[in-house]
Amino acid sequence: DVKVTQSSRYLVKRTGEKVFLECVQDMDHENMFWYRQDPGLGLRLIYFSYDVKMKEKGDIPEGYSVSREKKERFSLILESASTNQTSMYLCASGTRDTGEQYFGPGTRLTVT
Amino acid sequence: GENVEQHPSTLSVQEGDSAVIKCTYSDSASNYFPWYKQELGKGPQLIIDIRSNVGEKKDQRIAVTLNKTAKHFSLHITETQPEDSAVYFCGGGGANNLFFGTGTRLTVIP
Repeated sequence: DVKVTQSSRYLVKRTGEKVFLECVQDMDHENMFWYRQDPGLGLRLIYFSYDVKMKEKGDIPEGYSVSREKKERFSLILESASTNQTSMYLCASGTRDTGEQYFGPGTRLTVT
Repeated sequence: GENVEQHPSTLSVQEGDSAVIKCTYSDSASNYFPWYKQELGKGPQLIIDIRSNVGEKKDQRIAVTLNKTAKHFSLHITETQPEDSAVYFCGGGGANNLFFGTGTRLTVIP
């Protein structure tokens, strides 16, 4: 079974803090993704990576950055957290040629 | 880019009845259409998918149909059970990029 793990299930941070969300997959997938999930808006893509050190902006990259130093790990960074970044963050991984994506359990981030 | 719309946003059915959720997409180049089930407090789980060269796919009580001409696809759940209660998402796109519907909250009433 595909296993995608995220470093925290729940996180509370203060406005202005730097926040790191970590994602690890164990299936040697080339692609990794970060989404945020908000009520009524569904899943929106923040960034994705198709290879180590490679990244592409998604639909809502503003206020976020990413890092992929190893194939199995993809990190999402909030440089200076703001209250409008309170959300559920979902990481996914998948193979380059099939399109399938497998999700982690999510991190519910609250910024106060 | 692709735009995926999903209806209805909520759906309640009696246990044992069928449930149908529909999605439309805009980009004729999209060739991969997954469906995900998300239970409370969990990440989305891939339950079934279909590619553009196939019209229908079935897995036990779950089936998906695709109409490429009309650019719509549907999820069918037969003989619903209380454990089918969850939020269901459709997706559409290609190998490196998926766009998702806004979800359908399905409630199966015992």
